[in-house]
Amino acid sequence: EPEVTQTPSHQVTQMGQEVILRCVPISNHLYFYWYRQILGQKVEFLVSFYNNEISEKSEIFDDQFSVERPDGSNFTLKIRSTKLEDSAMYFCASSEYGGTGETQYFGPGTRLLVL
Amino acid sequence: GNSVTQMEGPVTLSEEAFLTINCTYTATGYPSLFWYVQYPGEGLQLLLKATKADDKGSNKGFEATYRKETTSFHLEKGSVQVSDSAVYFCALSDRTGANSKLTFGKGITLSVRP
Repeated sequence: EPEVTQTPSHQVTQMGQEVILRCVPISNHLYFYWYRQILGQKVEFLVSFYNNEISEKSEIFDDQFSVERPDGSNFTLKIRSTKLEDSAMYFCASSEYGGTGETQYFGPGTRLLVL
Repeated sequence: GNSVTQMEGPVTLSEEAFLTINCTYTATGYPSLFWYVQYPGEGLQLLLKATKADDKGSNKGFEATYRKETTSFHLEKGSVQVSDSAVYFCALSDRTGANSKLTFGKGITLSVRP
């Protein structure tokens, strides 16, 4: 069964460093998402992406964050200058269509720790 | 804005016990409702969903009914197994531009004892 994959599974970085989290969505999916979960808190929406542009972004997704689909398979989240509060589990998701009833398929997540 | 509220956890049950996990929501439009499950060390997987009022989603013995009048989507299972031990997330989806985004509840950890 097709699945969303994410790399790396864990990343430790120093505050102020740039990180790139990578995702490979399901191949025929056109809609892409990033969510994050700070330990003990809710899973929060960060950004949605379709047709090579951002559809919506949350208040969390400030100028330090960017997303890109550099080729036909990868979808990346870049944090330009990490802060301690960026430590979280980051989930990538994809869906075939964008409707409210569509299932979003999630990757296993990347656990980011900022020291 | 939209929000999802789940009952506080964790929940510990014996095998074959009846399970209810409460979920209520607040939404301005006509959202779809989902239950996602996260097994240890894995990502979120869709458990079931309902896209309109009075719809019942079901999967693996779990059921939930979309109740618009009570704005609820409670998850039930008649007889839980040890393998059901996981974190369960209630979520709603609303349309924003070209995409829809999910709004999650806090999640609840279920542990099932043999």
